Amino acid sequence: NAGVTQTPKFQVLKTGQSMTLQCAQDMNHNSMYWYRQDPGMGLRLIYYSASEGTTDKGEVPNGYNVSRLNKREFSLRLESAAPSQTSVYFCASTTDRFNQPQHFGDGTRLSIL
Amino acid sequence: DQQVKQNSPSLSVQEGRISILNCDYTNSMFDYFLWYKKYPAEGPTFLISISSIKDKNEDGRFTVFLNKSAKHLSLHIVPSQPGDSAVYFCAASEAGSARQLTFGSGTQLTVLP
Repeated sequence: NAGVTQTPKFQVLKTGQSMTLQCAQDMNHNSMYWYRQDPGMGLRLIYYSASEGTTDKGEVPNGYNVSRLNKREFSLRLESAAPSQTSVYFCASTTDRFNQPQHFGDGTRLSIL
Repeated sequence: DQQVKQNSPSLSVQEGRISILNCDYTNSMFDYFLWYKKYPAEGPTFLISISSIKDKNEDGRFTVFLNKSAKHLSLHIVPSQPGDSAVYFCAASEAGSARQLTFGSGTQLTVLP
């Protein structure tokens, strides 16, 4: 049971480089989310997708773009990476059923020099 | 403005005793609350949740209490075990908005053998 799979697990980028973080879920969930976690802080929502073909901004969307490729996959793109985007990125998914928790992947640790 | 606050960054408890983790929120529109547990280098794992129509939910050693008038919830772990040592995040969501989660900053629980 894979659940939510994120790739890569680690990445180091130089300022100005671009990168796409991949996320796939095998639970047939409609909703998918991208969060970032910084030291001493909780997870903050970057973007989410309530269903295939739709995406919406969360709390901290600046500097990111997303693509809901199909029901399974939701990618996060950094077009021009900045040191402030050094963080751990988590993808999550959930069903539309009433009051169901989100299930998280193990994260991508991204460092931007 | 933090809508979900965990004011204790850390908590140490002796094995076999009760652990009590606290969380306060400011948004009166929140109607679903969750606790996640996180080990290093892993994603958050769902632990227990409670709807705003209830004031208590129990699952084995874990009980969540909700006090809507005080906008406060707590997680009780009885008895605490060394394997419970992790960071615990409180999260909340409101109806609609694709169930976006707002997280607290986390409490590091250490259970001493």
